[in-house]
Amino acid sequence: DSGVTQTPKHLITATGQRVTLRCSPRSGDLSVYWYQQSLDQGLQFLIQYYNGEERAKGNILERFSAQQFPDLHSELNLSSLELGDSALYFCASSVAVNEQFFGPGTRLTVL
Amino acid sequence: AQSVTQPDIHITVSEGASLELRCNYSYGATPYLFWYVQSPGQGLQLLLKYFSGDTLVQGIKGFEAEFKRSQSSFNLRKPSVHWSDAAEYFCAVLNDYKLSFGAGTTVTVRA
Repeated sequence: DSGVTQTPKHLITATGQRVTLRCSPRSGDLSVYWYQQSLDQGLQFLIQYYNGEERAKGNILERFSAQQFPDLHSELNLSSLELGDSALYFCASSVAVNEQFFGPGTRLTVL
Repeated sequence: AQSVTQPDIHITVSEGASLELRCNYSYGATPYLFWYVQSPGQGLQLLLKYFSGDTLVQGIKGFEAEFKRSQSSFNLRKPSVHWSDAAEYFCAVLNDYKLSFGAGTTVTVRA
């Protein structure tokens, strides 16, 4: 158990819908990272927040957005969902930039 | 940008045999390198990391990796594989604040 929690574990929704994925970092970790794991793209970095501020952005679609709240939990919002958004979404947290601890992931299925 | 390549998509090894997973990186300076393991239905667990210093790094679960600058490699090894080592293994490099992952190597352990 890494100490990073993610909810829900599984999410099934339809195209065009919007979902929110939630992540609670390890106690004391100020940084939260979001990654997407899909069969065709592999593991890709989406976005990073540090103490509430966006710090780095990767291959995140404009339909996706994230935020980090004062209690340091983070949410990833995915809207206008397409079939290709079906993937495993991981959250990671760190206190130091060089060691990230991953949550169990949220498996999103878009039908 | 820094990147890593894992040349082997799938490796099958007998229980008790040794295992070596290859990882090649592209970067001019000394990279921050990692090996993660993902068991079926699980998140990513950090096996070991290399930042500097001793080029032979010991990790958890009996794994070790050797950083070889001359070959731009960071190969993962285990002397004797257990059935529980069946999983997907990812090599990663720290790229600014984000991890860039290789495509992964799936390890199958046969009895």
